[in-house]
Amino acid sequence: QKEVEQDPGPLSVPEGAIVSLNCTYSNSAFQYFMWYRQYSRKGPELLMYTYSSGNKEDGRFTAQVDKSSKYISLFIRDSQPSDSATYLCAMSPRDINAGGTSYGKLTFGQGTILTVHP
Amino acid sequence: KAGVTQTPRYLIKTRGQQVTLSCSPISGHRSVSWYQQTPGQGLQFLFEYFSETQRNKGNFPGRFSGRQFSNSRSEMNVSTLELGDSALYLCASSLTPLGFQYFGPGTRLLVL
Repeated sequence: QKEVEQDPGPLSVPEGAIVSLNCTYSNSAFQYFMWYRQYSRKGPELLMYTYSSGNKEDGRFTAQVDKSSKYISLFIRDSQPSDSATYLCAMSPRDINAGGTSYGKLTFGQGTILTVHP
Repeated sequence: KAGVTQTPRYLIKTRGQQVTLSCSPISGHRSVSWYQQTPGQGLQFLFEYFSETQRNKGNFPGRFSGRQFSNSRSEMNVSTLELGDSALYLCASSLTPLGFQYFGPGTRLLVL
């Protein structure tokens, strides 16, 4: 079983819809949670990050982390065709704001392919 | 500020050959990580370098190696290529090993 599970989709929604993307994980040591967006033939770009449990909002995007359930979500409101991409969740066992031993390894989900059609 | 650059962008090799990929991090970033992305396995961590030292390594065979230079640029090498090595190889840089990682466009390697 993979440490991080993500439904690969594909997910197709009409423009303006609310999109919900999710990941589950098994490693309790994960403390930092990120969402990356990857357009075709491009590298992943950091979209959102959240530390431990809680919510974070940035424009049309909201990231949620529920550590008790080992479940994270990304919500996209008023989805646009330009949001069509692969969305990857990523996790790290280290608190990025803490000192100490470096830990640059990210563990990624499989990625969800999202298409927003006009 | 220029982003992470990777060269070459595309590469075709045959089984048994070796290949070297290059990564130039964002100016000022000292940590470089490498990932392999395939449709079946997704994004998998290869290794991480900081100050010319490998600080972390993923579960890949010894055919995969890397290094970092004093100017933070990094190279990865794959020897004795196998068909299964066909993938998108992504490099990510961060200010420090604990910083957020910013990815380059990747090098797409096809092994025939």
